[in-house]
Amino acid sequence: AQTVTQSQPEMSVQEAETVTLSCTYDTSESDYYLFWYKQPPSRQMILVIRQEAYKQQNATENRFSVNFQKAAKSFSLKISDSQLGDAAMYFCALMNRDDKIIFGKGTRLHILP
Amino acid sequence: DVKVTQSSRYLVKRTGEKVFLECVQDMDHENMFWYRQDPGLGLRLIYFSYDVKMKEKGDIPEGYSVSREKKERFSLILESASTNQTSMYLCASSTPRREYGYTFGSGTRLTVV
Repeated sequence: AQTVTQSQPEMSVQEAETVTLSCTYDTSESDYYLFWYKQPPSRQMILVIRQEAYKQQNATENRFSVNFQKAAKSFSLKISDSQLGDAAMYFCALMNRDDKIIFGKGTRLHILP
Repeated sequence: DVKVTQSSRYLVKRTGEKVFLECVQDMDHENMFWYRQDPGLGLRLIYFSYDVKMKEKGDIPEGYSVSREKKERFSLILESASTNQTSMYLCASSTPRREYGYTFGSGTRLTVV
């Protein structure tokens, strides 16, 4: 069975600090994508960052970066210089060849001013 | 700006009513999906479609059906609404280019009383 696990239901970080959100996954496939989605209080889910399983280099998008450990099936998200606008629910997600996405249960991130 | 539009942001229906949740995308995407989102459970796949007039059951299809008569429109139907279907419903679309992930609608908060 394919699963995505986020072990931290909630986290808090001081503004301007760095925070890491954890995610582990399980899949029997070798060809897959991993994503982090952000859902602000306004609710629309937006894509933050993506990682293709075949690429060893960790993806980076401005202040957001991932630590992709394929052998360990780990995919953590690091947010640097946290800003108030980063407060949201973050979902880790796995997409296999069938185009369906499996989501983790989410981590709610609070930014403390 | 490309988008996925869900017809209602908030909806209140009575137990036993037939409920239609509409989703329209303007990106010519082949794939469309319906998820429900509940606190502590994350996003769970209800139904999906890879093409017009095609539909597949997701993980929790009981009590729901769907319709996809046109490529851009994917409707979720609650045949006889029940209180345990009170939830946030999210529609998403995607292309076979998996690296782009999903584009989500803003969600419909359905309350069944």
